[in-house]
Amino acid sequence: QQQVKQSPQSLIVQKGGISIINCAYENTAFDYFPWYQQFPGKGPALLIAIRPDVSEKKEGRFTISFNKSAKQFSLHIMDSQPGDSATYFCAASLESGGSNYKLTFGKGTLLTVNP
Amino acid sequence: ETGVTQSPTHLIKTRGQQVTLRCSSQSGHNTVSWYQQALGQGPQFIFQYYREEENGRGNFPPRFSGLQFPNYSSELNVNALELDDSALYLCASLSYNEQFFGPGTRLTVL
Repeated sequence: QQQVKQSPQSLIVQKGGISIINCAYENTAFDYFPWYQQFPGKGPALLIAIRPDVSEKKEGRFTISFNKSAKQFSLHIMDSQPGDSATYFCAASLESGGSNYKLTFGKGTLLTVNP
Repeated sequence: ETGVTQSPTHLIKTRGQQVTLRCSSQSGHNTVSWYQQALGQGPQFIFQYYREEENGRGNFPPRFSGLQFPNYSSELNVNALELDDSALYLCASLSYNEQFFGPGTRLTVL
């Protein structure tokens, strides 16, 4: 059972454009939603995260939009740059209730930003 | 840099063998998780250790086992290796409610 569905699988954007990656989750108990960026040969790096008490979080060029009723959240990358070319993963976890921080990941989106 | 290191970087084993992968995190990070990332897939949770005790396990068989040591370093052991165990194995250290991943160990099973 895939608890976090991510789309699209791949995305090509021109430099300066907006990249949008979407995720949907099934478990309504999830209360922590991070996005990770992964370059080839590297481990995932935390990019930005949101908790369901807010609908949007912005850090620099990266914005998470969160829709609790629709059980969806998305990553927007403004002014996309070739250096943003990487694989992006959304994830979700149950943060509350103890120290179990198991992350459930989407399958990833390969972003290519053309110069 | 996340402060999480893993060794070895790459490893080649044959089916049926056993393997031990190692992870070291910054002092005070008392929660470590291990994930398996197959090629082209997102990481999948294997298990988590908190203060040297297993504290949560994903859908992996018992031949996947782990240890966490008093210095918060950790090991992932896999017995009776199968071809499908070929993957990138990641450990993640918990700090200020955020998980930081190491670079991973690429395991190839032939």
